[in-house]
Amino acid sequence: QSVLTQPPSASGTPGQRVTISCSGSSSNIGNNYVYWYQQFPGAAPKLLIYRNNQRPSGVPDRFSVSKSGTSASLAISGLRSEDEADYYCAAWDDSLSGEVFGGGTKLTVL
Amino acid sequence: QVQLVESGGGVVQPGRSLRLSCAASGFTFSTYGMHWVRQAPGKGLEWVAVISYDGSNKYYGDSVKGRFTISRDNSKKTLYLQMNNLRAEDTAVYYCAKDSTSLGYGSGTCFDYWGQGALVTVSS
Repeated sequence: QSVLTQPPSASGTPGQRVTISCSGSSSNIGNNYVYWYQQFPGAAPKLLIYRNNQRPSGVPDRFSVSKSGTSASLAISGLRSEDEADYYCAAWDDSLSGEVFGGGTKLTVL
Repeated sequence: QVQLVESGGGVVQPGRSLRLSCAASGFTFSTYGMHWVRQAPGKGLEWVAVISYDGSNKYYGDSVKGRFTISRDNSKKTLYLQMNNLRAEDTAVYYCAKDSTSLGYGSGTCFDYWGQGALVTVSS
């Protein structure tokens, strides 16, 4: 069971806006930055968004994040077929002295 | 460009040991924290361990504490993971990941580059 809670799946049609939630506690999301990673089948994860909506080079601004208290969410607008992947949230946990991940959300573009 | 190349994976019997290596290039290895993250077949990501830029600070996930040891050789630009007393549940792809900060732990922990992974299978 993951420390951060994500829905196992999400879906949308091309052009739609989809959000993926990530719920934690005061020792992780509530007190630290949340990061999001994207993983395609058979590939290594890659950093998608960091800190306050910062995106690595090459990540489109269709991806954005928000955070409120002990929860965070990833929003993907203008959904495209190439967005179909697994998405993970992560944060440092002060109580565990370690990084914790969400269980991952499999995004399907219908 | 940043490259992280893991090696040392394979099939090992329960209770035995294995050492993974991660060769780094394309950045100043000695100034960044480094991590190991694993992914069991069909499962999600699990953080394993972190080591600070100079090796002075290390943290481990609860499931590997006391069995795994993370280390680094900055002169060789290489990260290591010594895995002892392996269990079936340690079977996973092990990724080496670079942190965006020198410490590698705390609020700023961020895996900005990942290797391609090394498969470790623990089976009799």
